[in-house]
Parts: sequence; structure tokens; C-alpha cells
Amino acid sequence: SAVISQKPSRDICQRGTSLTIQCQVDSQVTMMFWYRQQPGQSLTLIATANQGSEATYESGFVIDKFPISRPNLTFSTLTVSNMSPEDSSIYLCSVGSGGVGNEQFFGPGTRLTVL
Amino acid sequence: AQSVTQPDIHITVSEGASLELRCNYSYGATPYLFWYVQSPGQGLQLLLKYFSGDTLVQGIKGFEAEFKRSQSSFNLRKPSVHWSDAAEYFCAVGVKSGYALNFGKGTSLLVTP
Repeated sequence: SAVISQKPSRDICQRGTSLTIQCQVDSQVTMMFWYRQQPGQSLTLIATANQGSEATYESGFVIDKFPISRPNLTFSTLTVSNMSPEDSSIYLCSVGSGGVGNEQFFGPGTRLTVL
Repeated sequence: AQSVTQPDIHITVSEGASLELRCNYSYGATPYLFWYVQSPGQGLQLLLKYFSGDTLVQGIKGFEAEFKRSQSSFNLRKPSVHWSDAAEYFCAVGVKSGYALNFGKGTSLLVTP
């Protein structure tokens, strides 16, 4: 299994500002994913981030709003730009096991509140 | 497109009682199937998974799930629930290794004394 850490664990931000969330994995992984979990809701995939290529965004999410970096095989960042209260969510990164069955491991999440 | 349905938004069971959480999926082939648990303020923890072989899979914390192809279901069960099992449970589907998972809306489990 992979151990994943995220920073910050939580933050309260003002509307119009940006926040960068870091995701660190204890082993090299090819696939990293960023999910959003709005209050009381399930997880929605924001984008898939592979090292060495541009992130692939899901419908409804755009790079200008959620720029992602993936500089190496153990690290990724997600920025939430020009925030509004609707961006208040838990943001989780996950990594694929790489093996058959596509098991994924999740970080503890970053709880973001936008005022 | 693939989809995951968890029909029960909330379930309340008494401590010591049995538990079954329902999950149905829609996909043309047999997908990879997962159950995750999210305790308050915690990240997601994998309970169990299925992608081939024996249709009854055992997981951590005394949970098991049964894959029924004819019903497109992957229900989670536990014979005796403990108060610490109170949490949000998510069923998830993966259609291909290396791809992201598609999550159901979750079932919130409340355990009463």
C-alpha cells in the first residue's frame, strides 16, 4: 500500500484568493488523481495527473480554475484559483496501485472553507 | 456510461445487529468493485475489493461483500455491527486498471446502543 500525505489538512480562505494543496506519496507512482468531495456528497474526479504529461480534466473542471502540477513520481499539487464559497469542499488525492484491479489509496484530504 | 447506485442514503442499526449495505452498478462487463469507509474527519479506507475469482470477498474489520453478476450488485455485509462502524460507506467501480474510480453517493451508517 501507499502512504499519502496532504498539506494543508484544512484551511479557511477568502473569496478571490488561491490555495495550493500538496500531495506527497511515499513511493513512486504513475497515476495520481484529484477528487473533490462537496459537503455531504460523494467524491467527484477533478483530474488525472501523470508525471511528464498535462493533467486530464473531467467535464466541468478546467485547468484555469484547478491547475495541477506533477513534477515527479511522488508529488503533485492542485491549486484552487479565484475561490468562491462554492469551492468549499474536501479535496483528496489518490494514487493507483498499478496492479491488476486498480486499487487506489487516498490521502487524508484537505478541508477547504471559502468565506 | 458506468454508474454506481447506493439506494440507501442513511441506515440505522443497533449495535450487535447484522448489516447489509446495497450497491448496484451499471457497466457492460465485470468492473473492479470496491467498498471504502470514511469515518468523520478521516480519509477513505479500503474495506475490500473484487475483480475476479471467488464472488464472496472478505475484507478488513469483519466486513464481507458478495458480487452477484445477475443482479449487478456488490452488497456489503457484517454479521455484528460495532459502535465504531458508524461512518460513511462508499461503493466504487473501476473499469480499467489505471483509471479513476466512479463512486456511489454513499450510505451513512448510524449505530445505536
